[in-house]
Amino acid sequence: LAKTTQPISMDSYEGQEVNITCSHNNIATNDYITWYQQFPSQGPRFIIQGYKTKVTNEVASLFIPADRKSSTLSLPRVSLSDTAVYYCLVDNTGGFKTIFGAGTRLFVKA
Amino acid sequence: DAGVIQSPRHEVTEMGQEVTLRCKPISGHNSLFWYRQTMMRGLELLIYFNNNVPIDDSGMPEDRFSAKMPNASFSTLKIQPSEPRDSAVYFCASKNQIRNEKLFFGSGTQLSVL
Repeated sequence: LAKTTQPISMDSYEGQEVNITCSHNNIATNDYITWYQQFPSQGPRFIIQGYKTKVTNEVASLFIPADRKSSTLSLPRVSLSDTAVYYCLVDNTGGFKTIFGAGTRLFVKA
Repeated sequence: DAGVIQSPRHEVTEMGQEVTLRCKPISGHNSLFWYRQTMMRGLELLIYFNNNVPIDDSGMPEDRFSAKMPNASFSTLKIQPSEPRDSAVYFCASKNQIRNEKLFFGSGTQLSVL
């Protein structure tokens, strides 16, 4: 299983764009990159998933360089309600184990 | 669909008592996961099932912990006897492994062992 490394915490202000980078140097060919968001007292919920280049949905964008050894979750114009823990995961399409790291605690200030 | 349903939402018990946590996965999902979350250790994978069969229970901390999935719509996580260090939030999650869909989590069970 590819190990991931991401910052422990980040602070931002409302209206700013936030970029959280995750390193996964040992990513395998079949691995996808998935990001989850967890609010206090709730279970994690899926945000976005990608394999290469760029993926965008209504919540975020995910940028993956050609070597796929890192990825960047981009949250446009954050609000106070985006304060949460963000997890980067790497697992393959046929694998069962879904392991969460420590995540990045994002705190959005007014 | 109602999502992943866990019960109870909160459980307070005394050391030495048996605790049973319950989970109903999303209909059609063939993989089920039990996680435990604490401030110190984060979100730990305890065990996961595929098609009702336990695949990997290496995350189960001790023999006091056991999990079953008697059918596709129900799973239990049992702690017997419980200890104060078992206090945590326990999450159940499910997904469709065949299509490698995302994980869907329940609301969790907040367990306090006094």
